[in-house]
Amino acid sequence: AQSVTQLDSQVPVFEEAPVELRCNYSSSVSVYLFWYVQYPNQGLQLLLKYLSGSTLVKGINGFEAEFNKSQTSFHLRKPSVHISDTAEYFCAVRPVGGFKTIFGAGTRLFVKA
Amino acid sequence: EADIYQTPRYLVIGTGKKITLECSQTMGHDKMYWYQQDPGMELHLIHYSYGVNSTEKGDLSSESTVSRIRTEHFPLTLESARPSHTSQYLCASSDMTEMNTEAFFGQGTRLTVV
Repeated sequence: AQSVTQLDSQVPVFEEAPVELRCNYSSSVSVYLFWYVQYPNQGLQLLLKYLSGSTLVKGINGFEAEFNKSQTSFHLRKPSVHISDTAEYFCAVRPVGGFKTIFGAGTRLFVKA
Repeated sequence: EADIYQTPRYLVIGTGKKITLECSQTMGHDKMYWYQQDPGMELHLIHYSYGVNSTEKGDLSSESTVSRIRTEHFPLTLESARPSHTSQYLCASSDMTEMNTEAFFGQGTRLTVV
């Protein structure tokens, strides 16, 4: 079985500051890793994904994430946030060869002017 | 652009009513899913389908039922709505090719049972 822990439920940050949203996972098998973003009253949109290869993954809207297998982490980063980045961010895993995606509880990013 | 649609977007309904939440996708995906989302909580998988005529219960017990008569359509039904069913319901679909591993989501249906 897999589980995902997002270490911060809310992250307030000032505009143009850097941000890191933390995600740890647990799994007995290899997994694919994802970050999704959810804007108010919307569904989830894929930000980026890690399948294999380079551990640094770049996504949309200037976000990137780094897979650390030894620490079973997949933290999301952005060097300079905008007001429009205010949203809920979900970390997720899916076992290789499986098809059920397991989500964390989400981190609410609030960007202040 | 993902093509997966949910209707209605918002629904307020009285206790005891029967409701069906619609979900359709035009991507030809075999796998479809229903998630339930409450504020501040992770998404919980309540139903999934491998393909036509295949439905399975997810990790979170739900009183709802689903059907999969056509590849593109995966409706969710509540026979008798209760206030405890108030939540956001998200439909998703996915392909199983090696590179297309992510799920695509609809915009959700926010259900309120009064």
